[in-house]
Amino acid sequence: NAGVTQTPKFQVLKTGQSMTLQCAQDMNHNSMYWYRQDPGMGLRLIYYSASEGTTDKGEVPNGYNVSRLNKREFSLRLESAAPSQTSVYFCASSEVFVGVQGNQPQHFGDGTRLSIL
Amino acid sequence: GENVEQHPSTLSVQEGDSAVIKCTYSDSASNYFPWYKQELGKRPQLIIDIRSNVGEKKDQRIAVTLNKTAKHFSLHITETQPEDSAVYFCAASQSSASKIIFGSGTRLSIRP
Repeated sequence: NAGVTQTPKFQVLKTGQSMTLQCAQDMNHNSMYWYRQDPGMGLRLIYYSASEGTTDKGEVPNGYNVSRLNKREFSLRLESAAPSQTSVYFCASSEVFVGVQGNQPQHFGDGTRLSIL
Repeated sequence: GENVEQHPSTLSVQEGDSAVIKCTYSDSASNYFPWYKQELGKRPQLIIDIRSNVGEKKDQRIAVTLNKTAKHFSLHITETQPEDSAVYFCAASQSSASKIIFGSGTRLSIRP
């Protein structure tokens, strides 16, 4: 099993360009997430999808859109890239059970290193 | 909403000594507390987690303690080794709620 796969691994954009970061998981998880990690900083949640067909804003959603294409895939789109969006973007997935078991660990992809000039 | 504070931001210990990282959370409904390790240039990976129905959990040299009353939890690494050098993140979430909030991270360095 590949786990969580992100593409591309690296990307350089010019200010104002658009692009979509792709994420796919093969663990049959219901929940998927997009985080950004700035140098020396923690993980900040951009958007998440608790289940197929639903998406919700996280801590820093401005400037981003997401699509939960199906249970496996969750994409992140930058419509008009800005230098402030230069960061490493991580996708993650997890299972969430109702009841005692509750949340389960998140599994992360390898990240996409995005630079915006 | 939930807020997770993590201290210290950097920690340097002598190889073989113990390291302790502490986190506090704000939402009393939180009941799942994972810890992640991130090596330089790599993805975060789970190293241990604890649920609110237990006060302590151990896995070899790693242990986590939880004080629900004070709303804080800690990571303890004993007999530290060079491969323990990394950034460690704590996190908190509510049962059956997908969203999880991370602390700001602790950069742990092991001195030879």
